Amino acid sequence: QQQVKQSPQSLIVQKGGISIINCAYENTAFDYFPWYQQFPGKGPALLIAIRPDVSEKKEGRFTISFNKSAKQFSLHIMDSQPGDSATYFCAASRGGRNQGGKLIFGQGTELSVKP
Amino acid sequence: NAGVTQTPKFQVLKTGQSMTLQCAQDMNHEYMSWYRQDPGMGLRLIHYSVGAGITDQGEVPNGYNVSRSTTEDFPLRLLSAAPSQTSVYFCASSYSSSGGQFFGPGTRLTVL
Repeated sequence: QQQVKQSPQSLIVQKGGISIINCAYENTAFDYFPWYQQFPGKGPALLIAIRPDVSEKKEGRFTISFNKSAKQFSLHIMDSQPGDSATYFCAASRGGRNQGGKLIFGQGTELSVKP
Repeated sequence: NAGVTQTPKFQVLKTGQSMTLQCAQDMNHEYMSWYRQDPGMGLRLIHYSVGAGITDQGEVPNGYNVSRSTTEDFPLRLLSAAPSQTSVYFCASSYSSSGGQFFGPGTRLTVL
């Protein structure tokens, strides 16, 4: 059972445009929603994260929008740059000590930003 | 700090062989996890640990064993390698139960 569904699978955006990646989750017990960025041959790196008590979080050009009632969250990359070309993963986890370290990932989105 | 380190970077095994993927972190993180990454499937949790001496299964634990004798180390053992275990394996650690995880550089494993 895929608990976190991510779309689109791939995305091509022109330099300066807005990249939008969407995720939907099923388990209402999830309380932490991070986004990871992965370059080829590297491990995923934490980009930005949100908790369900806020609807939006912004860090530089990266914004997470969170809709608790719809069980959806999205990543917006403003002014997309060729250096943003990477694979992006959304994820979700539950709080609590015995749940620590259990991230459930979406399938990933391969973003290509054209100059 | 070296962060999360993994060895080896690449490994080729024959079906039926066993091996251990090493993972170490120097950040004194309590939580550690192993994931495998396959095309189109994202990262899937194999095993995780919430502290030394405590481990539990993730989504895809079959064919893998783990132990956590120290806070720093979390090795992943393949008992009898199968071609279906061809994948990229990532180790991760975090300080809190619901905080961001730091990933290692990965081990690319091919089973022939």
